[in-house]
Amino acid sequence: DAKTTQPTSMDCAEGRAANLPCNHSTISGNEYVYWYRQIHSQGPQYIIHGLKNNETNEMASLIITEDRKSSTLILPHATLRDTAVYYCIVRRDNYGQNFVFGPGTRLSVLP
Amino acid sequence: ETGVTQTPRHLVMGMTNKKSLKCEQHLGHNAMYWYKQSAKKPLELMFVYNFKEQTENNSVPSRFSPECPNSSHLFLHLHTLQPEDSALYLCASSQDGRGKDTEAFFGQGTRLTVV
Repeated sequence: DAKTTQPTSMDCAEGRAANLPCNHSTISGNEYVYWYRQIHSQGPQYIIHGLKNNETNEMASLIITEDRKSSTLILPHATLRDTAVYYCIVRRDNYGQNFVFGPGTRLSVLP
Repeated sequence: ETGVTQTPRHLVMGMTNKKSLKCEQHLGHNAMYWYKQSAKKPLELMFVYNFKEQTENNSVPSRFSPECPNSSHLFLHLHTLQPEDSALYLCASSQDGRGKDTEAFFGQGTRLTVV
């Protein structure tokens, strides 16, 4: 699976959009981009994933660049409860492919 | 509620004890995973089961022994652990194969303390 690079930490003001970047310059054509988050001492929570097109759900939006070498997770109106570590993972959707987590980005939403 | 349930949520055990962690998924998934998360570290993949067969063992010491009796249940048997094995142990499941709905869902974890 391709390696991803994320900033170690970010701050965001409550009510503003949080934009979390992820670089995956060696991504293959059949690898999806997944985002998870982990609130302190809980299990990781799935947020969103996509292949080429931008995706949106009730939690967030995922913007993938045309060359697919980077992506941005957008939380449109961050709240204090969005404070967590956010993980960007790339993974093929084939049988036997694992979810490998890096250190992620620690997002702090400030009042 | 993610559909993945882990028990117990907290466990304290001595180094000579034998205990087991249990994971159950109600999602009809065909792949299950054990991860370990030590303090302030990323998740480390330990074991993977696809269709009840172990497909990955990431150089995990033999004092950790997984068991997958069916596609809905996963156990992690523990014996003669060390204090450095204290960590959050997380179980996850996913539907492996091609398609869109392949995201993994995680349980809330078992916080293990070895004394």
